[in-house]
Amino acid sequence: DAKTTQPNSMESNEEEPVHLPCNHSTISGTDYIHWYRQLPSQGPEYVIHGLTSNVNNRMASLAIAEDRKSSTLILHRATLRDAAVYYCILMVSGGSNYKLTFGKGTLLTVNP
Amino acid sequence: AAGVIQSPRHLIKEKRETATLKCYPIPRHDTVYWYQQGPGQDPQFLISFYEKMQSDKGSIPDRFSAQQFSDYHSELNMSSLELGDSALYFCASSFRRGGPYEQYFGPGTRLTVT
Repeated sequence: DAKTTQPNSMESNEEEPVHLPCNHSTISGTDYIHWYRQLPSQGPEYVIHGLTSNVNNRMASLAIAEDRKSSTLILHRATLRDAAVYYCILMVSGGSNYKLTFGKGTLLTVNP
Repeated sequence: AAGVIQSPRHLIKEKRETATLKCYPIPRHDTVYWYQQGPGQDPQFLISFYEKMQSDKGSIPDRFSAQQFSDYHSELNMSSLELGDSALYFCASSFRRGGPYEQYFGPGTRLTVT
């Protein structure tokens, strides 16, 4: 499975934007970039995914580098509820399975 | 909106006992995944089913088995339980046809083996 690298932890202040980076230098042309987050004592939660173009949804934005070797999850205004572990995961397209391979993720702390 | 339902939410078993975890996917979802998350660990993929057939297998012990039924719900059966099986077990569902779409996770079953 293609691997991703994320910082172990990041800190932000409430109502400020947060940029969570992810490196995936071995990504192949058909791999989707998925982001999930896990709040304490809860199941992982889908955030956003993309292939080549930047993506926006109600939760976040995903900025994908032109060479696709890195991506950034953007939370436009962090709230205390956004404190969680954020996972950047590559998912192979066109295969027979779409399991999620969780790495270490980034622990986001949001200060009031 | 309907979410993934898991039961029971908490389960306490003794060593060498058996346990059955149930998962009810979101309506019209055709794929179910099982993940295990040990204390302080990241979730690890166990097994998945697509249209009631096993589609992929991860680090699932031979003591564990699973299946997906005609109504798409799934059960994870765990036998000869060991202390190391104590973990959170998450089920996720997705609608796979057409691409690798997002997975929606249930609240998990916390299994404690004593």
